[in-house]
Amino acid sequence: EAGVAQSPRYKIIEKRQSVAFWCNPISGHATLYWYQQILGQGPKLLIQFQNNGVVDDSQLPKDRFSAERLKGVDSTLKIQPAKLEDSAVYLCASSPLGGGGTEAFFGQGTRLTVV
Amino acid sequence: DAKTTQPNSMESNEEEPVHLPCNHSTISGTDYIHWYRQLPSQGPEYVIHGLTSNVNNRMASLAIAEDRKSSTLILHRATLRDAAVYYCIRPNNDMRFGAGTRLTVKP
Repeated sequence: EAGVAQSPRYKIIEKRQSVAFWCNPISGHATLYWYQQILGQGPKLLIQFQNNGVVDDSQLPKDRFSAERLKGVDSTLKIQPAKLEDSAVYLCASSPLGGGGTEAFFGQGTRLTVV
Repeated sequence: DAKTTQPNSMESNEEEPVHLPCNHSTISGTDYIHWYRQLPSQGPEYVIHGLTSNVNNRMASLAIAEDRKSSTLILHRATLRDAAVYYCIRPNNDMRFGAGTRLTVKP
């Protein structure tokens, strides 16, 4: 079974530039999550989708971050404009259903460096 | 707010059992308890989950207190490959992670 695919694996941009990350979840998984993980910290949930609807985006900095999940399959996360403090690993995860009955599967992440 | 509390770090010797604790005193009756671990430079991976009864799988065992306010992840024989950050979460609330417990395994 193919896992959660993320691209690119690495990205270096200058501050104030824009960047986009792509995630393809496991086929058939209704729930998709985006996380930001700063070095030395646990993953921080940015947004949760159920199919193509947003369930939770309370921790997404909406002035600069946006995410979409068209057709309820793959998803993109965008930062515009980037700040130095956005340097982190961005993780995507998917689950057959939300809630606690099923496990979530994580991708390898995209490491973003803002200089 | 991850709604779980874990020690920042623990150490173990190779081939010895490891008991990783987690407190979740505000847990409700329908909240599952999940454990994930994160190896260096990788995304988190699922380890085990449970609701009320103790659970076993090929990776670990999960012991859940009778009042469900705490749980313990048990690695029966730690190996060097088990060195990771271990996270206890309650995904019924939300899939939010705390800082986890960094497990060091000494040869």
